[in-house]
Amino acid sequence: GQNIDQPTEMTATEGAIVQINCTYQTSGFNGLFWYQQHAGEAPTFLSYNVLDGLEEKGRFSSFLSRSKGYSYLLLKELQMKDSASYLCAVRDGESNYQLIWGAGTKLIIKP
Amino acid sequence: EAGVTQSPTHLIKTRGQQATLRCSPISGHTSVYWYQQALGLGLQFLLWYDEGEERNRGNFPPRFSGRQFPNYSSELNVNALELEDSALYLCASTPQGAGNTEAFFGQGTRLTVV
Repeated sequence: GQNIDQPTEMTATEGAIVQINCTYQTSGFNGLFWYQQHAGEAPTFLSYNVLDGLEEKGRFSSFLSRSKGYSYLLLKELQMKDSASYLCAVRDGESNYQLIWGAGTKLIIKP
Repeated sequence: EAGVTQSPTHLIKTRGQQATLRCSPISGHTSVYWYQQALGLGLQFLLWYDEGEERNRGNFPPRFSGRQFPNYSSELNVNALELEDSALYLCASTPQGAGNTEAFFGQGTRLTVV
């Protein structure tokens, strides 16, 4: 079957670092996406990984290990505006390139 | 370039009625996904259309249906509305068979069933 798991909720302190994990089991793999979604708004694209390793983009980095079916999103120097849900999605090439979504991780930033 | 557009922005219906939600993908995108997001919860996959055909559907009852038109725009229909259908309905589009191209979301339709 197809499954993506993320923690439901995490709490972190402003200025700190937080790592949000995502594990996946899909028929095929053609890339993993991370999205940010503020309450009541549409998700917006953050990062894309298709090869193993770390992709850095400013305060945000995303890591992928295809052999382990595992990814994480790393947020540094947390700001209050980073309070949002973070969604992990995998494109499954064995299923006509369908996007399979996790339920998202709600990140709460405290002062 | 116009993004994904959804209409209406807000919709209020009475229990038992039918609702029709519309989505226009980004020009050149042939795949359209529909999601339901109840308040405070994650995305729940509803339907996926590509090249005019339904490719997959999520674990929702048959009263949730839709279609994709020749211009790749899409419609989601919800029949016999129930109170628990109240949610944000999001549409996303991607090019067909794309690998590294992300999905682009519309701003959603907020459906309230009273």
